Amino acid sequence: SQQGEEDPQALSIQEGENATMNCSYKTSINNLQWYRQNSGRGLVHLILIRSNEREKHSGRLRVTLDTSKKSSSLLITASRAADTASYFCATVLTQGGSEKLVFGKGTKLTVNP
Amino acid sequence: DGGITQSPKYLFRKEGQNVTLSCEQNLNHDAMYWYRQDPGQGLRLIYYSQIVNDFQKGDIAEGYSVSREKKESFPLTVTSAQKNPTAFYLCASRGAGGLKYGYTFGSGTRLTVV
Repeated sequence: SQQGEEDPQALSIQEGENATMNCSYKTSINNLQWYRQNSGRGLVHLILIRSNEREKHSGRLRVTLDTSKKSSSLLITASRAADTASYFCATVLTQGGSEKLVFGKGTKLTVNP
Repeated sequence: DGGITQSPKYLFRKEGQNVTLSCEQNLNHDAMYWYRQDPGQGLRLIYYSQIVNDFQKGDIAEGYSVSREKKESFPLTVTSAQKNPTAFYLCASRGAGGLKYGYTFGSGTRLTVV
């Protein structure tokens, strides 16, 4: 079952521009996480935002969370060609004491030099 | 350096064969996970384990089996019952600091049926 859905599915921008990706989810969450995946590689954790936080920054990354709309956005400022990758949002589902991370389908970002 | 090692990087399976994908971590993490990724898709959870000698089915467990005999190791067997096994398989782990550091992923195994 997919919890998060990213939008857009693909995004192509020029180096130096900002990139915004959105994520919507279905159920209540404790936190929402964003990951990056370079082509053919594993995922790298970028940032985690808790349900009681509205905005979080890490370097050129800014994440917002709106729990009333069940949505989050990831903003990458002053993009670089090296930011080209797929970006996934993920939420934690807890069932019977077990925790699992559920991913959306991702946004494929291309930053053109 | 601590991390997760998946092997092999590429694996080819003949029809009707079982194959086992290795996942080893030296992060002292309790929880480990197996995900499957198809082209252009997100990750779907196959199996996960919160502690040694215990594991639970994820969303697409049919045709797969796992074991968790050691904290460091969580191998995934793709059985002949899995009709469409060609995919990219990712192993992940989570420690007590998961809320701060997120999950740690291996570099993946690409399985192809020949």
